Amino acid sequence: SQQGEEDPQALSIQEGENATMNCSYKTSINNLQWYRQNSGRGLVHLILIRSNEREKHSGRLRVTLDTSKKSSSLLITASRAADTASYFCATDAANAGGTSYGKLTFGQGTILTVHP
Amino acid sequence: DTAVSQTPKYLVTQMGNDKSIKCEQNLGHDTMYWYKQDSKKFLKIMFSYNNKELIINETVPNRFSPKSPDKAHLNLHINSLELGDSAVYFCASSQWGIQETQYFGPGTRLLVL
Repeated sequence: SQQGEEDPQALSIQEGENATMNCSYKTSINNLQWYRQNSGRGLVHLILIRSNEREKHSGRLRVTLDTSKKSSSLLITASRAADTASYFCATDAANAGGTSYGKLTFGQGTILTVHP
Repeated sequence: DTAVSQTPKYLVTQMGNDKSIKCEQNLGHDTMYWYKQDSKKFLKIMFSYNNKELIINETVPNRFSPKSPDKAHLNLHINSLELGDSAVYFCASSQWGIQETQYFGPGTRLLVL
C-alpha cells in the first residue's frame, strides 16, 4: 500500500504567494524527504528531515514533521513561476536498528502551478 | 558531467520484445536503485543494489532483471514486454549509511505497443 498521501493533489497560486503541501504516512520512519519533479524530468532532492527533528529550513523552503500525527508539511514562501512542478514526499522507513533501509516510499505528489 | 545518466531516454517497442535500460552514476555512490513511475505519477521502488549486491527486491515480475556490473552501473533488463510495462523508469543512487538523499537520473520513457 502507498505510504505517503499528499494533499492537495493540485495547487494553483499567484507569484509571491506562499504554497503549503501536506504529506501523511503510516509507518515508523528514519527520515522524510521532499523532492521536486519538473515536467518530463527526473526528481530533484529538496530537503530531508529526520524523525527526531520537528522543523527544518532551506532557503524559501520550510518543512515540519509531526511524528505523533505521522504528517509533514512543505511550505514554499514567496513562490515564483519557476517553482511550478510536482512535489513529492518520500519516507525512508527505519529498520530494527533505527537506521535507514534506503527504501524510499513516495506519495502521489502535489502539482503546484505558480502563475506569473 | 551528469551525475546520474540513463540510456536510452525514450524507448518504443512491441509487446513480447526484450529491452535493456542502462544507468551510470559518477558520484562515487555505492547504492543504486530502480524506480517505476506510472501514468498517474506514482513512483515505486523496484530494486536496489549496494556494492553490486541486491538488497531490495520489491514485488516485481521476474521478467525484470537488474544487473550491476560494478558500483557505478545498474542496468535493467526486461523480457517479454507487456503493455503494462509502459512507464517512466528512473535510476537513482545514494551513499549507504552516510547520506540518505537519493540522486535521480532523467528517466527512461518506455512505451510498449
